[in-house]
Amino acid sequence: GDSVTQMEGPVTLSEEAFLTINCTYTATGYPSLFWYVQYPGEGLQLLLKATKADDKGSNKGFEATYRKETTSFHLEKGSVQVSDSAVYFCALSDRFAGKSTFGDGTTLTVKP
Amino acid sequence: DGGITQSPKYLFRKEGQNVTLSCEQNLNHDAMYWYRQDPGQGLRLIYYSQIVNDFQKGDIAEGYSVSREKKESFPLTVTSAQKNPTAFYLCASSDRGREGYGYTFGSGTRLTVV
Repeated sequence: GDSVTQMEGPVTLSEEAFLTINCTYTATGYPSLFWYVQYPGEGLQLLLKATKADDKGSNKGFEATYRKETTSFHLEKGSVQVSDSAVYFCALSDRFAGKSTFGDGTTLTVKP
Repeated sequence: DGGITQSPKYLFRKEGQNVTLSCEQNLNHDAMYWYRQDPGQGLRLIYYSQIVNDFQKGDIAEGYSVSREKKESFPLTVTSAQKNPTAFYLCASSDRGREGYGYTFGSGTRLTVV
């Protein structure tokens, strides 16, 4: 079945540092890929998405590129802020399965 | 604005009681989902529904029940058979007809057994 593997956390960075959170996937079809963000005590929010190979999703300074050859969708940001502290989830959606598959989440803490 | 509303935000249950968590959406989405999240853990799928009057078990359905009588509503009942119900419960919806649309999540219900 489908699966998503995320880099284990927690990740602690200083403000303005470069962020990478790794995500690889296994899927039989051609899934869409997503990154969600969860702030403390809240639900998840869609951060960015990509629907086909080589697509780049971007939002709020975050980027991720759909790499079919390496089955990866790594999240990057050039300069993190304290307000980026949250849990980040990578996910894939297979329209034929009717549901998404989520990674276990990576906790990011950014210190001033 | 369209969205998903979960209520209540906090819920306390006594041992042996059934409780029902509400989830309502006005996005006209066909599919709805219930997830459980434990502290420091990822999401585990409880039940999902792709169309009215139909639903499927997820990975941890034991001790839970759902109904989907209306498109906009997908309530979750935590029964007394669920031995460890204390958790954060998230409801989500998606428009299955639109490729790559993703999920919209509610703000969650935190259930505590007292």
